[in-house]
Amino acid sequence: AQSVTQLDSHVSVSEGTPVLLRCNYSSSYSPSLFWYVQHPNKGLQLLLKYTSAATLVKGINGFEAEFKKSETSFHLTKPSAHMSDAAEYFCVVSVGYGGATNKLIFGTGTLLAVQP
Amino acid sequence: NAGVMQNPRHLVRRRGQEARLRCSPMKGHSHVYWYRQLPEEGLKFMVYLQKENIIDESGMPKERFSAEFPKEGPSILRIQQVVRGDSAAYFCASSLPGLAKGNEQFFGPGTRLTVL
Repeated sequence: AQSVTQLDSHVSVSEGTPVLLRCNYSSSYSPSLFWYVQHPNKGLQLLLKYTSAATLVKGINGFEAEFKKSETSFHLTKPSAHMSDAAEYFCVVSVGYGGATNKLIFGTGTLLAVQP
Repeated sequence: NAGVMQNPRHLVRRRGQEARLRCSPMKGHSHVYWYRQLPEEGLKFMVYLQKENIIDESGMPKERFSAEFPKEGPSILRIQQVVRGDSAAYFCASSLPGLAKGNEQFFGPGTRLTVL
């Protein structure tokens, strides 16, 4: 069965310092992995996705993630945090139907705080 | 191109009443998904529908909950005889048809249901 584990429920960084949000996945076959961001009282926005192409995936707003099969990890990083990055971040794996991406399994989320 | 639309954005019901949540997918999308986010938790998959078909309802509670996606009109998530534990944010997502791996799901802003 597919699942994701977000290792930190809260992360706090100072503005201008690097961001690292950790995610480990479990999947019985080559997974599709995503990072979504949710700002307070808003819907979810896709940051980036991995679908077995390049292992280093670049997303919006300067975020990127690296798929490491040997470590079953898909950590999200950003070189320099901005105040507007404060939000909740979800690591997500898909459960496919015949190879398609359909049902999404969400991690429990990491709340990122950015201090001035 | 309008995004996924959900209404109402906020819904208050008393215990025992019915709640009807509506979701209009993005133009050209024929796949709809419903997710529930309980307070302080990640999103949990409820049901996956295509036009006039329920593909996967493995996340739906066995009683009081139903979903439909008719040939014309929005998808409806219906909760009968609501209880306080149904209070949550309900998100709808839509995606393109076809079996493309990694097809992105686009999320609506959610309906926040409060049961008094």
